[in-house]
Amino acid sequence: LAKTTQPISMDSYEGQEVNITCSHNNIATNDYITWYQQFPSQGPRFIIQGYKTKVTNEVASLFIPADRKSSTLSLPRVSLSDTAVYYCLVGSSGSARQLTFGSGTQLTVLP
Amino acid sequence: EAGVVQSPRYKIIEKKQPVAFWCNPISGHNTLYWYRQNLGQGPELLIRYENEEAVDDSQLPKDRFSAERLKGVDSTLKIQPAELGDSAVYLCASSLGGTLNYGYTFGSGTRLTVV
Repeated sequence: LAKTTQPISMDSYEGQEVNITCSHNNIATNDYITWYQQFPSQGPRFIIQGYKTKVTNEVASLFIPADRKSSTLSLPRVSLSDTAVYYCLVGSSGSARQLTFGSGTQLTVLP
Repeated sequence: EAGVVQSPRYKIIEKKQPVAFWCNPISGHNTLYWYRQNLGQGPELLIRYENEEAVDDSQLPKDRFSAERLKGVDSTLKIQPAELGDSAVYLCASSLGGTLNYGYTFGSGTRLTVV
């Protein structure tokens, strides 16, 4: 499974766009990129998943360059409730069907 | 639709005592996972079930940890005897067919404190 590297923490202010970048230099051809969000005292929650280019849903956008060695989670106009830990994971259904979590990025949104 | 249900939410026990956690996955999800999450770290996989079969338990400390998923639905994770280092949040997750296409659904976890 490809290892991921992401910043330990980030601060932002309400209303700003937040971009969290994840590096995954050893990503395999069959690997997807998945992002999870975790609030204190809760389990991680699926946010978005992509394979290449751009994916957008009602919560976030995911940008993946052509070489797929990194990805950027974009959260538009964050609010205080977006304060959480964000995890980037890489894997495929052809692997052990498991997700390997790193330490994640603690995003703190300030008023 | 009910999510992944775990109980209890919190458990405090003395070291060397046994403890058990219960998980009821989303209806129809045949793949079930148990993760352990230490403070300030991401979750780490303990065991994965496909229906009632444990297909990956390589990271389960088998000397004291055991798990079962009878009938391929709900599951129980047991620790006997518990050690101080077992204090963590134990998360259960489920997915449909083990596919990564739409991610896993996690429960809220059981926070274990061993004193």
